[in-house]
Formats: sequence, structure tokens, C-alpha cells
Amino acid sequence: IAGITQAPTSQILAAGRRMTLRCTQDMRHNAMYWYRQDLGLGLRLIHYSNTAGTTGKGEVPDGYSVSRANTDDFPLTLASAVPSQTSVYFCASSATSGGNEQFFGPGTRLTVL
Amino acid sequence: AQSVTQLGSHVSVSEGALVLLRCNYSSSVPPYLFWYVQYPNQGLQLLLKYTSAATLVKGINGFEAEFKKSETSFHLTKPSAHMSDAAEYFCAPTSGGSYIPTFGRGTSLIVHP
Repeated sequence: IAGITQAPTSQILAAGRRMTLRCTQDMRHNAMYWYRQDLGLGLRLIHYSNTAGTTGKGEVPDGYSVSRANTDDFPLTLASAVPSQTSVYFCASSATSGGNEQFFGPGTRLTVL
Repeated sequence: AQSVTQLGSHVSVSEGALVLLRCNYSSSVPPYLFWYVQYPNQGLQLLLKYTSAATLVKGINGFEAEFKKSETSFHLTKPSAHMSDAAEYFCAPTSGGSYIPTFGRGTSLIVHP
């Protein structure tokens, strides 16, 4: 059982380019989340999805978009990357959004130059 | 919205010494409180979870936390630190609305031999 996989592991991207971070879970969890982790700031929620077909904005959604076409996949897209989006991105899932444990992927380290 | 404060970005202890990592949430009692641990270059994993069933919560690897409503605290403790406990620790209360946890800025635990 893989749990949650993220791709790519790391990426260096030129400013202005479009980038999609992939996230797939095999636990049939209803809820999925995207966080960014920056030194000294902890994890901040970008977007979330309580169930397939629905999405919501988190604390720092600007410059990011998500979709949830099915239960397993929750891609995060940066339409036009900027250097302030340099960060480590974590995808997570939970059985439901009602206070259940979150399971985290290994992260994607993104550098925008 | 829920807010959380983790006092001390770094805590340094000797192997065998008591570990105390502090967490205070905002005045509204959260329905759920989590502690997560992040080992280097990995995603987060659950240490323990408070659900109001009991104020003293035991987690994995010998960690426990006590919910104190009067102090709005949920400090994490371990009687005797091991070298393998060196990691980043995050406190994460939920709010009564979305039930999505809000992560603190994290405390890095350093264990000296």
C-alpha cells in the first residue's frame, strides 16, 4: 500500500512558467489537502477538498488552483509561478474532513527562480 | 478561526531527560487537537489526538499530552528523550466550523548524547 504519492520529488522552475504538482492516494479517503511549508511558518493550508467534485480555499490560496475530478487525485497548479512560491508542498488526505487523522505525502520541493 | 502558539522554535535536551513541548490554542475550545511529528525530509505523521474523551492522551513512542482548558494548553511530554526523538513537532487544533487543523509554527527538538 503506497498511501499518498507526490510527484515530482523536486523541481526548479523559471518564474512565469506553469506547473502542476501531482498527488494520488490509494486509501479511498474523501478529504484531501494541499499545504506549503516554509521555515518558521509551519504548514499553511492552500486548498482542500472534502469530497470528489468539491474544493475550498485555505489560508493562502492566491496563485494556486486545484481540481478533484475523482477520489484518488488532487493536483495543485501554479498558473504562473513566482519566486515567493518557492516552498515545500505537502499533500495530505483523511477519511473525512470531520477531525480525522491526516496522512501526508513525502512532499515536493519547488524552487522558482 | 482557531489560532495556535508553540512556544520555542527550538528545544534542546539531553538524552534521558524530560521532553516538554508547549502548545497553546485560542480561547475557543477546539473539538480536536493533534500533535504531529516530522522527521527530516519526510512528511508529517500523527503522534496523538485529543477528542474530549479524556484530558490525558497517550500517543506513540512514549509521548503524551494533557488538555488543560483553564490554561488553553495541550503541552506534549515524554519522560525520557531518545536520540531518535530528534524531529520537528507540530501542534494542530481544529476549529468548530471546518474541522481542518490549523498548524503551529513547529518546535524543533534537539537531543544531545
